[in-house]
Amino acid sequence: QKEVEQNSGPLSVPEGAIASLNCTYSDRGSQSFFWYRQYSGKSPELIMSIYSNGDKEDGRFTAQLNKASQYVSLLIRDSQPSDSATYLCAVKIQGAQKLVFGQGTRLTINP
Amino acid sequence: GAVVSQHPSRVICKSGTSVKIECRSLDFQATTMFWYRQFPKKSLMLMATSNEGSKATYEQGVEKDKFLINHASLTLSTLTVTSAHPEDSSFYICSARGGQGGRGNQPQHFGDGTRLSIL
Repeated sequence: QKEVEQNSGPLSVPEGAIASLNCTYSDRGSQSFFWYRQYSGKSPELIMSIYSNGDKEDGRFTAQLNKASQYVSLLIRDSQPSDSATYLCAVKIQGAQKLVFGQGTRLTINP
Repeated sequence: GAVVSQHPSRVICKSGTSVKIECRSLDFQATTMFWYRQFPKKSLMLMATSNEGSKATYEQGVEKDKFLINHASLTLSTLTVTSAHPEDSSFYICSARGGQGGRGNQPQHFGDGTRLSIL
């Protein structure tokens, strides 16, 4: 089992709809969770960080964390074509300095 | 805040050349920096973790004599690809941990990456 798992997609969502991206992780002691967006040919950009169970909202983005079920998700409301990118879930495993990244979900927003 | 600058953005050079890539945290101090490489349409691959004032920790399978890392200050880490060959051609990205959050919770912020092409 991979430490951090994401569906690689591609995930296609019509413009204006809600895009839902999911991620599961294996280390139950993980405390810090991050979502990054990566456009083709560019480096990753931090979108959201979440540390506590529940929802965290920032503009059109909402991160959701459920430590009991070991999953973290990212919702994008009112999806725009500019949201088309690969979204990377990253988890800081307990006791480690590094982040463990999922393989990324490729999201396409269709006009 | 939490800006990471990486230079150069693109390098094209002949086989056998050594190439140095710089990674700077511009508005925060980064005791830990990370170096990744990424092949087209593939996931990020962590190469090494760089700690200021100490030796880097390399991931399994990464040659430390091939990829020299120096983290001499709290704002600068360098990666030198020694005697580069065409198979070293890739997208190299650095990140630095810092910004909001407790020390253990700070996110990583990425530089813009360096596209290395070895002819």
